[in-house]
Amino acid sequence: EAQVTQNPRYLITVTGKKLTVTCSQNMNHEYMSWYRQDPGLGLRQIYYSMNVEVTDKGDVPEGYKVSRKEKRNFPLILESPSPNQTSLYFCASSLHQGATNEQYFGPGTRLTVT
Amino acid sequence: AQKVTQAQTEISVVEKEDVTLDCVYETRDTTYYLFWYKQPPSGELVFLIRRNSFDEQNEISGRYSWNFQKSTSSFNFTITASQVVDSAVYFCALSEARWTGGGADGLTFGKGTHLIIQP
Repeated sequence: EAQVTQNPRYLITVTGKKLTVTCSQNMNHEYMSWYRQDPGLGLRQIYYSMNVEVTDKGDVPEGYKVSRKEKRNFPLILESPSPNQTSLYFCASSLHQGATNEQYFGPGTRLTVT
Repeated sequence: AQKVTQAQTEISVVEKEDVTLDCVYETRDTTYYLFWYKQPPSGELVFLIRRNSFDEQNEISGRYSWNFQKSTSSFNFTITASQVVDSAVYFCALSEARWTGGGADGLTFGKGTHLIIQP
């Protein structure tokens, strides 16, 4: 089954404790991205990757890091989480960059930073 | 810059009523794509439709229909004979066919409309 998986689905952590949210897709997609969703703000893009070893900032990259060492994986790293990073995070992938390619979203990771 | 406005923050209707969710967009591009996604209480994002800017035909899928009007830059979504299972947050999104970097897929979401269907 074609899918995007994220782990963990739920995470409660404390300020400053490094964490990684994993994202994996099994569709051989080149393009992957991370979004955060906050009440009243919709979804905003954090980082994206057009292919292996190619990443770039989205609209709200501050406080986040990503890496793309393999095509299927695109982890989101919070080196020193803060309460304002409490949010619902979505990973997405598509065959290529571009609006003609449908984006597949993961199930979401709900992060709480206390 | 592209922008999507969903002016209705929350809509509440009684089951079996028809309901329309509004979406107004702004773009400088002549080629673009419009999307609707559903987010049920479980939290996942469910793709509903993609429409390109050259196709102004309305679309119907079961109880769902979409009205695309370039003249008013709107892409409204109507649910006919609503059901409790339709309760969700619905997002409209826009993607321009060209972009110059920063959010490279150009996918801009509206803030969402929370639809509540009361039994």
